[in-house]
Amino acid sequence: GAGVSQSPRYKVAKRGQDVALRCDPISGHVSLFWYQQALGQGPEFLTYFQNEAQLDKSGLPSDRFFAERPEGSVSTLKIQRTQQEDSAVYLCASSLVYEQYFGPGTRLTVT
Amino acid sequence: GQQVMQIPQYQHVQEGEDFTTYCNSSTTLSNIQWYKQRPGGHPVFLIQLVKSGEVKKQKRLTFQFGEAKKNSSLHITATQTTDVGTYFCAGPEGSQGNLIFGKGTKLSVKP
Repeated sequence: GAGVSQSPRYKVAKRGQDVALRCDPISGHVSLFWYQQALGQGPEFLTYFQNEAQLDKSGLPSDRFFAERPEGSVSTLKIQRTQQEDSAVYLCASSLVYEQYFGPGTRLTVT
Repeated sequence: GQQVMQIPQYQHVQEGEDFTTYCNSSTTLSNIQWYKQRPGGHPVFLIQLVKSGEVKKQKRLTFQFGEAKKNSSLHITATQTTDVGTYFCAGPEGSQGNLIFGKGTKLSVKP
């Protein structure tokens, strides 16, 4: 079957704009994670869902970041009033047991 | 907070040479995972180690988990150009499965 997909693959936003990033996990995967990866760094945890429940959002950098997974499948990461420091690749990963399957990421550039 | 550190940050080798990257955690880990990220790609799961002192091999790759479960290493024998990429170790934070990644070791292989 298909892997994890993310859209858009690239997003350019002007500072102050809101953006929405979508993640389609592997069908049947209960766990879904969002990570932020800056250039030359490892992925940094943002938030975690088990089905539709957001069990951990301790990694979200500010209250401008919001994530949801209303039906326990597709997830959306929303960033309000984007700032330049939000520029990064946003990775989504899904998991059934422990191995995490990553999507291709959304590269967000805030100008 | 929990930290995962990797050295070296970069490694340049001639094709056929061996390569090793080292990972250290500030806390004892229940398990450690290794991922590979090709240039322009996303992290791809390689392996999970769970037991103290565990050694696992995948063809030319050898993974070790330290006795104290705070450190790990990845050794590649006789590197090939296909080994190019960044290798990350990652340990779980808490019990929910979200991972703390090291900054990675970027491997380049000169043919």
